[in-house]
Amino acid sequence: GNSVTQMEGPVTLSEEAFLTINCTYTATGYPSLFWYVQYPGEGLQLLLKATKADDKGSNKGFEATYRKETTSFHLEKGSVQVSDSAVYFCALSRATGGFKTIFGAGTRLFVKA
Amino acid sequence: DGGITQSPKYLFRKEGQNVTLSCEQNLNHDAMYWYRQDPGQGLRLIYYSQIVNDFQKGDIAEGYSVSREKKESFPLTVTSAQKNPTAFYLCASSPPGTGLGTEAFFGQGTRLTVV
Repeated sequence: GNSVTQMEGPVTLSEEAFLTINCTYTATGYPSLFWYVQYPGEGLQLLLKATKADDKGSNKGFEATYRKETTSFHLEKGSVQVSDSAVYFCALSRATGGFKTIFGAGTRLFVKA
Repeated sequence: DGGITQSPKYLFRKEGQNVTLSCEQNLNHDAMYWYRQDPGQGLRLIYYSQIVNDFQKGDIAEGYSVSREKKESFPLTVTSAQKNPTAFYLCASSPPGTGLGTEAFFGQGTRLTVV
């Protein structure tokens, strides 16, 4: 079946450090891939997405590239800020037997000033 | 402004009582979803609905029920049969069709505590 695996957290970084959060997926066919962000006590917001192989999604300094050969969609940011502290979810969706989004377990990021 | 509204934000109930969580959207989305989130864990799908008057069980439907009488509304009832109901509940919707890159839009969540 379809699934998403992301690196366990929490990840703790100092401000301006480089961020990588790993995400790999298992799916048949060609899913769309997403990163969502959740701030404390809130729902999820879409951060970026990619719909086909080699697409790069980017937003607010974050980026991720859809790598079909390695079934990965790693999230990166060159210089994190304290305000980036949140939980990040990798997800996939495809329309088979009902349109559903499948989420990874989430990775909590703490950024220290 | 368009969006998804969940209410209430915090809900307390006694053990053994049924409770209904509200989810309303004005985005004209066909599909709506309910997820459960436990501390330090990802989202697990409870129920989803692709169209009015139709819904399907997700991965953890036991102890929950839903209805979809209107396109805008998808209420979730947590019944007394749900063994561990204390959790953060998230409602989401997605636009019509099944096109690539169709994202889910989330409400702010309801934190249910059963005492």
